Amino acid sequence: GAGVSQSPSNKVTEKGKDVELRCDPISGHTALYWYRQSLGQGLEFLIYFQGNSAPDKSGLPSDRFSAERTGGSVSTLTIQRTQQEDSAVYLCASSLSGTTGKETQYFGPGTRLLVL
Amino acid sequence: AQKVTQAQTEISVVEKEDVTLDCVYETRDTTYYLFWYKQPPSGELVFLIRRNSFDEQNEISGRYSWNFQKSTSSFNFTITASQVVDSAVYFCALSFYGGSQGNLIFGKGTKLSVKP
Repeated sequence: GAGVSQSPSNKVTEKGKDVELRCDPISGHTALYWYRQSLGQGLEFLIYFQGNSAPDKSGLPSDRFSAERTGGSVSTLTIQRTQQEDSAVYLCASSLSGTTGKETQYFGPGTRLLVL
Repeated sequence: AQKVTQAQTEISVVEKEDVTLDCVYETRDTTYYLFWYKQPPSGELVFLIRRNSFDEQNEISGRYSWNFQKSTSSFNFTITASQVVDSAVYFCALSFYGGSQGNLIFGKGTKLSVKP
């Protein structure tokens, strides 16, 4: 079946502009995660959605970052007033559930964001 | 604190050599899960294996094998008879029951280069 898809693949933006990154999880997966991968910081957790529960936003680095998940499926990560330090690869993952920690997370190809 | 350490930043081997990637983890939880992911140059994280804390049996899958030792908090990954296609960054990750709803804590990764 189809895996996790993300769009766009690459995004170049100017400092101060807003960007939206999209993630389409594997069908039937109730848990969805966003991670950021940068050279200096490795892979960092950003936010987690499980079904209709309130998201776990504990990994968001600042209030310029937000995410929503509509209808329990597609998710959008929004970065407002982008800064150069936001340049990174943003990875989305999904799993069947997320409540026990044992479910395998399957990752999308990522969106490479470059802020000039 | 939960932490994953991959002390080897980069490893270079010649094709057909065996190579072991080290992973050491820290957690106070008794129920936790360990993962290995492969990130080839294309960028997508590919799931390789999951192991739960109650299962210390080693696992072999083709040329890949994993050695889980709770006594040393290690979950090492060995590639036998390495091939050029094994060149990638390999990540070890930890999640635990009920904590942060299952987000993965990643090590910094080990970049493996297999030369012909």
